[in-house]
Amino acid sequence: AQSVTQLGSHVSVSEGALVLLRCNYSSSVPPYLFWYVQYPNQGLQLLLKYTSAATLVKGINGFEAEFKKSETSFHLTKPSAHMSDAAEYFCAVTSKGGGADGLTFGKGTHLIIQP
Amino acid sequence: KAGVTQTPRYLIKTRGQQVTLSCSPISGHRSVSWYQQTPGQGLQFLFEYFSETQRNKGNFPGRFSGRQFSNSRSEMNVSTLELGDSALYLCASSSGTSETTDTQYFGPGTRLTVL
Repeated sequence: AQSVTQLGSHVSVSEGALVLLRCNYSSSVPPYLFWYVQYPNQGLQLLLKYTSAATLVKGINGFEAEFKKSETSFHLTKPSAHMSDAAEYFCAVTSKGGGADGLTFGKGTHLIIQP
Repeated sequence: KAGVTQTPRYLIKTRGQQVTLSCSPISGHRSVSWYQQTPGQGLQFLFEYFSETQRNKGNFPGRFSGRQFSNSRSEMNVSTLELGDSALYLCASSSGTSETTDTQYFGPGTRLTVL
């Protein structure tokens, strides 16, 4: 069985500050890990994915995440927050490329950007 | 390429009725997955179809069913609606083979309200 824990249902940062959203996973097999973002009344947009290649993954909009097997973590970071980053962020895990066994999602972290 | 499309975007039904939601995947994608998103339970995997065959199913009652057509378009059906079925239903498509699938790309969702 797989699971994802996202620490902090709400994270608030000032515009221009570092964004750090935490994700820890549990998987009995090598995982594939994803970060998705959801804006109000929209579907999920892929930010980045880890599929056992480089442990530091760069995504869209300046986000990146580092896979740390020893810590079973896949935290999402962005050096400088922008107002447009305010959204809900979801970390997800699967044991295959992305679909056949379904993605297991964390509960989500609502990112608030203070002006 | 056009993204994943879902119709309708909004639905209002009453308890006991049934509903059918539609999803058109990205051109060339043969895998379609469905997810339910609620404030209480978060994002939960419903089922996945590949080449008209259901490959995996989440932990939902039999009232939730789906199918996939030869053009990869998919429908999901919920019978005997309950208040708790009110949710955002998300469809995701991905490429891949019969053994695995690639990254999932999500549609905007269908917001179902059960009164």
